Amino acid sequence: HVVQSGGGLIQPGGSLRLSCAASGFNVRNDYMSWVRQAPGKGLEWVSVIYKDAKSYYADSVKGRFFISRDIFENTVLLHMNSLRADDTAIYYCARGREPGNAFDIWGQGTLVTVSS
Amino acid sequence: DIQLTQSPSTLSASVGERVTITCRASQSITEWLAWYQQKPGKAPNLLIYRTSRLDSGVPSRFSGSGSGTQFTLTISGLQPDDFATYYCQHYHNYGFTFGQGTKLDIK
Repeated sequence: HVVQSGGGLIQPGGSLRLSCAASGFNVRNDYMSWVRQAPGKGLEWVSVIYKDAKSYYADSVKGRFFISRDIFENTVLLHMNSLRADDTAIYYCARGREPGNAFDIWGQGTLVTVSS
Repeated sequence: DIQLTQSPSTLSASVGERVTITCRASQSITEWLAWYQQKPGKAPNLLIYRTSRLDSGVPSRFSGSGSGTQFTLTISGLQPDDFATYYCQHYHNYGFTFGQGTKLDIK
């Protein structure tokens, strides 16, 4: 499973880092994503990091968010910069299922609130 | 970009009924279409991947089908635990897209 940490209240323009610690599997052998959900809204894919360490981003966060992984800690990180009010959401870490191109293990979610 | 549109947005049904949720793509897509169930305050749970394959532990009353631009999730014999919000999701060019969701509530 995966356990998330980080999040909280941050002012617009600020930075925050979310962490996702995996157990029972190796993040270097799977692809990992971040998915967010604004209050009362649907799911929005944010970013993915593949086994070869290549990463991709939704247009809404491109250039502001950065995904990374720490193989030794078996952790995936989401570095969020230049945060805006519309980044306010619950952020979920999720493992990609192979084959399947879907997400089969999800973290508990962590709330990020961007407000002054 | 490919857009996914689910219908209906809200669905009211009774225990024991058979319901179908549709996910329409803005253009023809591959078989990489998945379905999730989400309950309030919880993370989504994968039900179906690759259009019709049940994830481990998912009850057989859930089924998926479709091709091209139209895909469906069918629940045969609704159980009280099935009342939740359902999302479709597609993989394309290293990115992922979700439908807007369908809320299934008790009639």
